Amino acid sequence: DIQMTQSPSSLSASVGDRVTITCRASQTISNYLSWYQQKPGRAPKLLIYAASSLQRGVPSRFSGSGSGTDFTLTIGNLQLEDFATYYCQQSDSDAPAITFGQGTRLDIK
Amino acid sequence: QVQLQESGPGLVKPSQTLSLTCAVSGVSITSGAYYWSWIRQHPGKGLEWIGKIDYRGRTDYNPSLRSRVSISEDTSDNQLSLDLSSVTAADAAVYYCARSVVGGWGALDLWGQGSVVTVSS
Repeated sequence: DIQMTQSPSSLSASVGDRVTITCRASQTISNYLSWYQQKPGRAPKLLIYAASSLQRGVPSRFSGSGSGTDFTLTIGNLQLEDFATYYCQQSDSDAPAITFGQGTRLDIK
Repeated sequence: QVQLQESGPGLVKPSQTLSLTCAVSGVSITSGAYYWSWIRQHPGKGLEWIGKIDYRGRTDYNPSLRSRVSISEDTSDNQLSLDLSSVTAADAAVYYCARSVVGGWGALDLWGQGSVVTVSS
């Protein structure tokens, strides 16, 4: 199975900050990497797919990069509504199983 | 617009089978354009993929749950089903159904609101 290691597990930031979350796959997954935002009591929401493509309707302050095994999610100019938990997810075409990172909780400093 | 709605008993007894359905509206589950997944989230924990089914009824499962899980589709009612047998307290979670686009890098672009399952006698 492909394992996804996400870091940090939590971080604190202020409105207007820029933050970066990283995700590492245990083997290469090309660009089969997605990022999600989840708020308490709500279903996850897709932010980024194919490692760097912004899902329709998602603000442009969210961006993704990476390929192979190392990926990042960057949120620029943090807004109040961005404080949530973020997950990465892989879905490599050669391995039909889907796996998620363990999540990063983003709190207000 | 396309919507997913999970439903099922909120309480299941240990050793019994958990059965949930996901009603899909706005698109046919047999359209060939999508995969349909089940994901769960234990209280206060992260996301765990359970398995998926395609329009031809082909399934893939999480290896850790494969011996106990079955995902099927009811084309007449346009809904998906999840059966998880021999449940224990460790199966208590919020269960989500979600959609991914075929050829869409496996991204889950649409989710239901989730169904809370408690396991208790």
